[in-house]
Amino acid sequence: SQKIEQNSEALNIQEGKTATLTCNYTNYSPAYLQWYRQDPGRGPVFLLLIRENEKEKRKERLKVTFDTTLKQSLFHITASQPADSATYLCALPISGGYNKLIFGAGTRLAVHP
Amino acid sequence: KAGVTQTPRYLIKTRGQQVTLSCSPISGHRSVSWYQQTPGQGLQFLFEYFSETQRNKGNFPGRFSGRQFSNSRSEMNVSTLELGDSALYLCASSVGQGYNEQFFGPGTRLTVL
Repeated sequence: SQKIEQNSEALNIQEGKTATLTCNYTNYSPAYLQWYRQDPGRGPVFLLLIRENEKEKRKERLKVTFDTTLKQSLFHITASQPADSATYLCALPISGGYNKLIFGAGTRLAVHP
Repeated sequence: KAGVTQTPRYLIKTRGQQVTLSCSPISGHRSVSWYQQTPGQGLQFLFEYFSETQRNKGNFPGRFSGRQFSNSRSEMNVSTLELGDSALYLCASSVGQGYNEQFFGPGTRLTVL
């Protein structure tokens, strides 16, 4: 069955550094991949979508890569700030459904001043 | 544009009861998806509705059901509540066709005693 893995351990980094989060998937060839941010007690917020034919996508300080050979996506936040502290979720469409998403468990990022 | 709204925000029920949760999508969005989020299982897809039709369904028992109205508003119902149904129930709306970002509501926190 389709499976997504994200680092379950929290990632602690210093303000100003680049945070890199990993999303690996198996038994699957998704047409696209999405990244979301979730703060405690709130719903996830969409950040970026990258399609299978795109290698990289950027939005302000965010960058996502998508390697369909390695079955991996990397999510980078450059010049990180304490306000970037949150849980970041990777999501893939379940085969057969555009809006039927399977989410990874998420990686908690803590940016320290 | 107003975001996705969910009511109620908090709910306490006892085992065996049933509950109905409501979701109003962003204006113009025709797809509404429901997710269950728990600390142990993370975010899990329940079902998706598009133009009043259930388009996708997750692996949940028949006690979980939903519907969508002509104005795209959606409700989900859980009958014969169990302790394990305690969770954050999230609704997400999207434009509909194709690969779309999902806009999540704040969720309904359901506690089953």
